[in-house]
Amino acid sequence: NAGVTQTPKFQVLKTGQSMTLQCAQDMNHEYMSWYRQDPGMGLRLIHYSVGAGITDQGEVPNGYNVSRSTTEDFPLRLLSAAPSQTSVYFCASRGGRAIVYEQFFGPGTRLTVL
Amino acid sequence: AQSVTQLDSHVSVSEGTPVLLRCNYSSSYSPSLFWYVQHPNKGLQLLLKYTSAATLVKGINGFEAEFKKSETSFHLTKPSAHMSDAAEYFCVVSLNDYKLSFGAGTTVTVRA
Repeated sequence: NAGVTQTPKFQVLKTGQSMTLQCAQDMNHEYMSWYRQDPGMGLRLIHYSVGAGITDQGEVPNGYNVSRSTTEDFPLRLLSAAPSQTSVYFCASRGGRAIVYEQFFGPGTRLTVL
Repeated sequence: AQSVTQLDSHVSVSEGTPVLLRCNYSSSYSPSLFWYVQHPNKGLQLLLKYTSAATLVKGINGFEAEFKKSETSFHLTKPSAHMSDAAEYFCVVSLNDYKLSFGAGTTVTVRA
């Protein structure tokens, strides 16, 4: 199993550009989520999904869209990039709805918005 | 409401000495608690978790944590630090199935 994969690893955008961060998992996990990591703030939840066709907002959803058309994929879209979205983005998946299940993280995407 | 506070942003230890990373949480309910480790330029890896079973939880790589409800704490310890323990550590709390609340992180450096 590849686990949770993310592409690209690095990205530089100009203000106003849009892009999609890709996330895929091959563990048949129901639950997937996106976080952003900023220095001194830990990880903050952007959006999450409890299954194909079901998504919901986390703590910091503004400026981001998600969709979940398949169990495997959970892309994150930046609609109009802003410098405040410069961050490291992590995708995660979990095998069950209960929080006792371990959450598996991808390697991250480092995004810079100029 | 739930939140988690990691009391030290940076901890420096000598190789072979004990490591203590402190975490306090605020919660109106019995929480699930986790410690994750992040090595440089890597994703997060689960070290251990508490889910209302034994209050002393053993994890990977010799780490353990003790849940103390009276002190609302979940401190992480390791008896003898190794150079490979240099990383950032996150204390995490969850009340429901979908959302985790992360602490700000503690960076551990290990001196030879």
